[in-house]
Amino acid sequence: SSELTQDPAVSVALGQTVSITCQGDSLRKYYATWYQQKPGLAPVLVIYGKNNRPSGIPDRFSGSNSGNTASLTLTGAQAEDEADYYCQSRDTTVHRLMFGGGTKLTVL
Amino acid sequence: QVQLQESGPGLVKPSETLSLTCTVSGGSISDHYWSWIRQPPGKGLDWIGYIYYSGSTNYNPSLKSRVTISVDTSKNQFSLKLNSVTAADTAVYFCARGDYGGTLFYFDYWGQGTRVTVSS
Repeated sequence: SSELTQDPAVSVALGQTVSITCQGDSLRKYYATWYQQKPGLAPVLVIYGKNNRPSGIPDRFSGSNSGNTASLTLTGAQAEDEADYYCQSRDTTVHRLMFGGGTKLTVL
Repeated sequence: QVQLQESGPGLVKPSETLSLTCTVSGGSISDHYWSWIRQPPGKGLDWIGYIYYSGSTNYNPSLKSRVTISVDTSKNQFSLKLNSVTAADTAVYFCARGDYGGTLFYFDYWGQGTRVTVSS
């Protein structure tokens, strides 16, 4: 498959939990990677692999995979988590890296 | 701490070649995969391609006919050339460091991005 699909927008109340999903056939074989991007800034790696966080990423961010769906879960959303979130993986048929269309997270 | 910095013209004329360079500091360009990724205004991320420090490359099939990525290990730099540009190539261009880890590939360090506009 050559596509990763994300919901365009998701909202969450301050302090609550939200999951952002990414769907694609390649996710049955490859883990998704997740990036956070705030306006005017470069993306930041937040989750990679099974559920790995780079140094400096709060433990309220976690990742999971099931079938063709990857999820980024934010437990106890903070105002500073408001951003665009992108999933990224690899194509299974051609050697191509690809990104989902992005999800705009609003913290209410 | 690895840092990446893009440089190059912010304005390119249609049909000409877009040329950007990424300078890597705080670490060696040897090892890792060095990528270019772009983001058109108001849109999502689009992977352009990467080069391994040894010189092997992998390009997005949608851009492959127009893209060349090269590396200069002596300067700790890698570069992007995109020819025959059109307005659709207007975007913020990011350079990034990538790594394979078994069943995944991820970009762990990014440049701040440079805006390139294609216009006459």
